[in-house]
Amino acid sequence: QKEVEQNSGPLSVPEGAIASLNCTYSDRGSQSFFWYRQYSGKSPELIMSIYSNGDKEDGRFTAQLNKASQYVSLLIRDSQPSDSATYLCAVNNYGQNFVFGPGTRLSVLP
Amino acid sequence: DTAVSQTPKYLVTQMGNDKSIKCEQNLGHDTMYWYKQDSKKFLKIMFSYNNKELIINETVPNRFSPKSPDKAHLNLHINSLELGDSAVYFCASSQDFGTGSNTIYFGEGSWLTVV
Repeated sequence: QKEVEQNSGPLSVPEGAIASLNCTYSDRGSQSFFWYRQYSGKSPELIMSIYSNGDKEDGRFTAQLNKASQYVSLLIRDSQPSDSATYLCAVNNYGQNFVFGPGTRLSVLP
Repeated sequence: DTAVSQTPKYLVTQMGNDKSIKCEQNLGHDTMYWYKQDSKKFLKIMFSYNNKELIINETVPNRFSPKSPDKAHLNLHINSLELGDSAVYFCASSQDFGTGSNTIYFGEGSWLTVV
């Protein structure tokens, strides 16, 4: 069973702080990794994708991938109340479907 | 322009009824998906089509039947609706199925409530 795991949260951080979201996956053949943000009552929207070990930065967001540890994380710097949402980690293996984690609920407190 | 659009957005129906959800994408993608998100927000694959061909058919009741008339459309028909079918159903698409740089894009979701 290919699984993606995340802490369900809620993760609460004060405004301006760094939020750290973590994800582990079981399928060593996984090649592509994604972070989606989902606001309540809305559809998931892509924040970042990462394919190689290391860090990838996009604005306030940094994705980190460690394939040896089967671990991917998302850091949100200078967290804003508008970042409050559920963050979904997704993993894709070539030719397979996108497997999503259960999501981590983030609450940024003003 | 909405990239992945699905209708209806809200659907309230009685147990035992048959209903359909339609999905269309204008991104030129080859692959389309149906995902189900339950009350615990867990997003789970149901079906995937690549160029109108069924690729993934997860363990879902036979009451659920997808249909892809062309690669831009993927509809979901549900027979004999049950209370447990109440969920949000997301249609999604991606450029290709077998490439590592694939990205999946979601429609706005269809909120199904069975009473």
